[in-house]
Amino acid sequence: AQSVTQPDIHITVSEGASLELRCNYSYGATPYLFWYVQSPGQGLQLLLKYFSGDTLVQGIKGFEAEFKRSQSSFNLRKPSVHWSDAAEYFCAVESGTYKYIFGTGTRLKVLA
Amino acid sequence: DGGITQSPKYLFRKEGQNVTLSCEQNLNHDAMYWYRQDPGQGLRLIYYSQIVNDFQKGDIAEGYSVSREKKESFPLTVTSAQKNPTAFYLCASSKPPTGGDYTFGSGTRLTVV
Repeated sequence: AQSVTQPDIHITVSEGASLELRCNYSYGATPYLFWYVQSPGQGLQLLLKYFSGDTLVQGIKGFEAEFKRSQSSFNLRKPSVHWSDAAEYFCAVESGTYKYIFGTGTRLKVLA
Repeated sequence: DGGITQSPKYLFRKEGQNVTLSCEQNLNHDAMYWYRQDPGQGLRLIYYSQIVNDFQKGDIAEGYSVSREKKESFPLTVTSAQKNPTAFYLCASSKPPTGGDYTFGSGTRLTVV
């Protein structure tokens, strides 16, 4: 069955430090992969997506993600975290026409 | 600007009541979705609709109903059969059916009182 795993429920980093959020997926075909960010009490905003081609994808707000087929991973990275990046981050895979599967999310806390 | 509007932002329901959550989009998107979000469980699909007058059950459809009479609108009714309705509900839409990213509304928080 298709699934998305975000192994880290909470992550705390200091402002200015680098960040990596992990995402592993299980899907038989070439996946469409997404990262979304959610501020408290708000909807989700798309950070970036991977469909095909270059495995390093650039997104908004200085985020990037790398697709590694051999590891079934799509980890999100940012070289230097800002206090405004504190939020919850969701990885998702398109499991078939019209349907996504979301991970359970990683809540990021940023220390001043 | 185009987007998705969910209303109300907060909703309180008494035991045994049906309540309807509104979702309207002006993005000309074909597909619309309802998700339920609970702490630590991510987003779970309730219902989705690919075209007007058609919709399919998602993973947790029991106790919910929807309609899609207009392309712009996809209301969700939480019925009294839903035993644990307190949650954050998110509506989303997309245009390309495959590989299309979602646009989300800002959500409705439903609380049973």
